[in-house]
Amino acid sequence: NAGVTQTPKFQVLKTGQSMTLQCAQDMNHEYMSWYRQDPGMGLRLIHYSVGAGITDQGEVPNGYNVSRSTTEDFPLRLLSAAPSQTSVYFCASRAVWTGETQYFGPGTRLLVL
Amino acid sequence: AQKITQTQPGMFVQEKEAVTLDCTYDTSDQSYGLFWYKQPSSGEMIFLIYQGSYDEQNATEGRYSLNFQKARKSANLVISASQLGDSAMYFCAMRERADTGNQFYFGTGTSLTVIP
Repeated sequence: NAGVTQTPKFQVLKTGQSMTLQCAQDMNHEYMSWYRQDPGMGLRLIHYSVGAGITDQGEVPNGYNVSRSTTEDFPLRLLSAAPSQTSVYFCASRAVWTGETQYFGPGTRLLVL
Repeated sequence: AQKITQTQPGMFVQEKEAVTLDCTYDTSDQSYGLFWYKQPSSGEMIFLIYQGSYDEQNATEGRYSLNFQKARKSANLVISASQLGDSAMYFCAMRERADTGNQFYFGTGTSLTVIP
């Protein structure tokens, strides 16, 4: 199993550009989520999904969109990037009924100029 | 109010000694789960240990143990026999409504440095 994979590893954007961060998992986990990590603030939940077609907002959803068309994939879209979205983004997944912890991808470093 | 509080921004420990990383949490739920993750300088998040609120015994995983004091709402991580590879950021996290909850809350982390 590859676990949770994220692409790209690094990305530089200009203010106003859009992009999609990709996340995929091969563990057949129902739950997937996106976090951002900023210095001194730990991880904060952006959006999450408990299954295909079902998404919900986390603590800091503004400026981000998500969709879940398959169990495996959970892309995060930045429609109009802002410097405040410079951060490290982590995707995670977990089995809802049998798993306790969530498993994280390697992260994507995003710099918005 | 913060759901998870880690009051130690940085800690130092001598190699082979034990170290305790503090974590307190805030919830009114009876059912919740507590987690510790390690983040080395390479950046990945590594799951270390889990404690359910109804678990009567403290969780242990190898050199890691979780000192769970429910009445004090604390979930401290104890690392025994520290190794140089333990140098990393450590995050405490909580999931409320352990059977159905969907949001994890993370603390701000503790940076541990192991001194040779």
